[in-house]
Amino acid sequence: EAGVAQSPRYKIIEKRQSVAFWCNPISGHATLYWYQQILGQGPKLLIQFQNNGVVDDSQLPKDRFSAERLKGVDSTLKIQPAKLEDSAVYLCASSLMPLGAETQYFGPGTRLLVL
Amino acid sequence: DAKTTQPNSMESNEEEPVHLPCNHSTISGTDYIHWYRQLPSQGPEYVIHGLTSNVNNRMASLAIAEDRKSSTLILHRATLRDAAVYYCILRQSSGDKLTFGTGTRLAVRP
Repeated sequence: EAGVAQSPRYKIIEKRQSVAFWCNPISGHATLYWYQQILGQGPKLLIQFQNNGVVDDSQLPKDRFSAERLKGVDSTLKIQPAKLEDSAVYLCASSLMPLGAETQYFGPGTRLLVL
Repeated sequence: DAKTTQPNSMESNEEEPVHLPCNHSTISGTDYIHWYRQLPSQGPEYVIHGLTSNVNNRMASLAIAEDRKSSTLILHRATLRDAAVYYCILRQSSGDKLTFGTGTRLAVRP
């Protein structure tokens, strides 16, 4: 079974530039998550989708971050404009359903450096 | 979300058992206890989860206290590949997000 795919793996941009990350979840997984992981910390949820609808985006900085999952499969996370503090690893995860006993499967992440 | 408390770091010798503790005194009756680990430069990976009873799988065992206020992840024979950050997470039965703390960084000595 193919895992969660993310691209690019690494990105370096200057502050105030825009950047986009792509995620392809495991086939058949209805729930998709984007996490931000700052160096030395655990991952923090940015947004959760159930199919193509948003379930939780309470911690997404909506003035600069946006995400979509138009056909309920792939997802894109965008930052516009980027700030220095956005330097982090952006992780995508998916699960069959959003249940307490369900496993989340994580991709390798995209490492973003904002200069 | 209910919070967990873990030691910042632990060390183990290769091929010896490792017991990683987690305190979760505010756990509710319907919270699942999940463990994930994150190897260097990788995304987190699922290790094990349980609700009330002890659980075993091919990776590890999970021992849950009778009052459910603490749990222990047991790696029966540590290998160098087990060096990672281990996260203990409480998850509501309704699902939704995983709330990660800072975890326990496990070092394995050859």
